[in-house]
Amino acid sequence: AQTVTQSQPEMSVQEAETVTLSCTYDTSESDYYLFWYKQPPSRQMILVIRQEAYKQQNATENRFSVNFQKAAKSFSLKISDSQLGDAAMYFCAYRGSNYQLIWGAGTKLIIKP
Amino acid sequence: NAGVMQNPRHLVRRRGQEARLRCSPMKGHSHVYWYRQLPEEGLKFMVYLQKENIIDESGMPKERFSAEFPKEGPSILRIQQVVRGDSAAYFCASSPSGLPLNSPLHFGNGTRLTVT
Repeated sequence: AQTVTQSQPEMSVQEAETVTLSCTYDTSESDYYLFWYKQPPSRQMILVIRQEAYKQQNATENRFSVNFQKAAKSFSLKISDSQLGDAAMYFCAYRGSNYQLIWGAGTKLIIKP
Repeated sequence: NAGVMQNPRHLVRRRGQEARLRCSPMKGHSHVYWYRQLPEEGLKFMVYLQKENIIDESGMPKERFSAEFPKEGPSILRIQQVVRGDSAAYFCASSPSGLPLNSPLHFGNGTRLTVT
């Protein structure tokens, strides 16, 4: 069975600085997708970025980028120029041949002004 | 272009009562997924439905829980005889198709169920 692990329950960063959230996963599949979702206090689950496992190039969305290491089964999220609005819970999720999303436990990101 | 709509946003039930959670998918979406989020945890898959069909309910507790997605109207997650352990946030997501894998899931804002 696939698992997703987020080892950092909480991270804090100074506004305008860069922070990296870690995520590792375990799977025997070769074709899958990885996602980072953001959950602000409003509770809405917002897709931040996604990565196809067959693509070697790391996905980028404005200030958000990933470091995808397929062999190491690692999928970290880098947030550059952190803003107060980035404060939220961040979840890493995996989707393989089974359409179900497998979620990590989340990392709470605190932005210090 | 309305997103996934869930209601109610908050629901309080006494032990033994029934809870009904509603989810209207995005326009044009025919696939609905229900997830449960316990405090301090990520989401856990419960059930996957298409219109009038349950595709996968492997994440649903065998008793007291049921889900439907009728031809007309929203998807309903029903919990009978609620217990305190049912207290959680319940999220609905929809997609235009169940596959391929990169088909994005659009989530609603969730319903927070509190059982007293």
